[in-house]
Amino acid sequence: DTAVSQTPKYLVTQMGNDKSIKCEQNLGHDTMYWYKQDSKKFLKIMFSYNNKELIINETVPNRFSPKSPDKAHLNLHINSLELGDSAVYFCASSPVRRGAAYEQYFGPGTRLTVT
Amino acid sequence: GESVGLHLPTLSVQEGDNSIINCAYSNSASDYFIWYKQESGKGPQFIIDIRSNMDKRQGQRVTVLLNKTVKHLSLQIAATQPGDSAVYFCAENKMKTSYDKVIFGPGTSLSVIP
Repeated sequence: DTAVSQTPKYLVTQMGNDKSIKCEQNLGHDTMYWYKQDSKKFLKIMFSYNNKELIINETVPNRFSPKSPDKAHLNLHINSLELGDSAVYFCASSPVRRGAAYEQYFGPGTRLTVT
Repeated sequence: GESVGLHLPTLSVQEGDNSIINCAYSNSASDYFIWYKQESGKGPQFIIDIRSNMDKRQGQRVTVLLNKTVKHLSLQIAATQPGDSAVYFCAENKMKTSYDKVIFGPGTSLSVIP
């Protein structure tokens, strides 16, 4: 009954490679997100999709490209990986705003290590 | 620019005592403030939120206080338990017309001493 799942949980790769991280949510939420958490635990939003439409695109290198085939999935593809891309990447989802701060549900994270 | 920050990066508390985690923010235009808990190896988990027109909100063993005069937010945990050991993030939610954006602070690590 996993709510937000990500694959893989760990990803070790060399500089210059291209890799993808997949995310799926079974909560029926309309909005999904990608966050990057660095070694100091700082959590920063990268992208947000609402019903497959990109609504937040922070200052992220264009080597990062999100793709949302449907509203239950949001994948993250990274080209030409660099050492600085090493981090934990979290996917999250939330329902449509209901007049209250909406709760974001986070996946377990994908620890990406670039060597 | 927008920023949400914390006074203390680490906090150690004796089991059974109350914990207070503090947060300072600089953006007065936020609609909501939120606290998340992140246990080791897991994603952040929503704890409680408070609307910007409130100054206090209580949940189960947790209370959030908002002081807009000094732009300060705090999370109080009553009778702290070992399971409360985690990193706590304050965050602000800014509602826009078509989407909301949550900005996270840098986090405070809470360690509960048995």
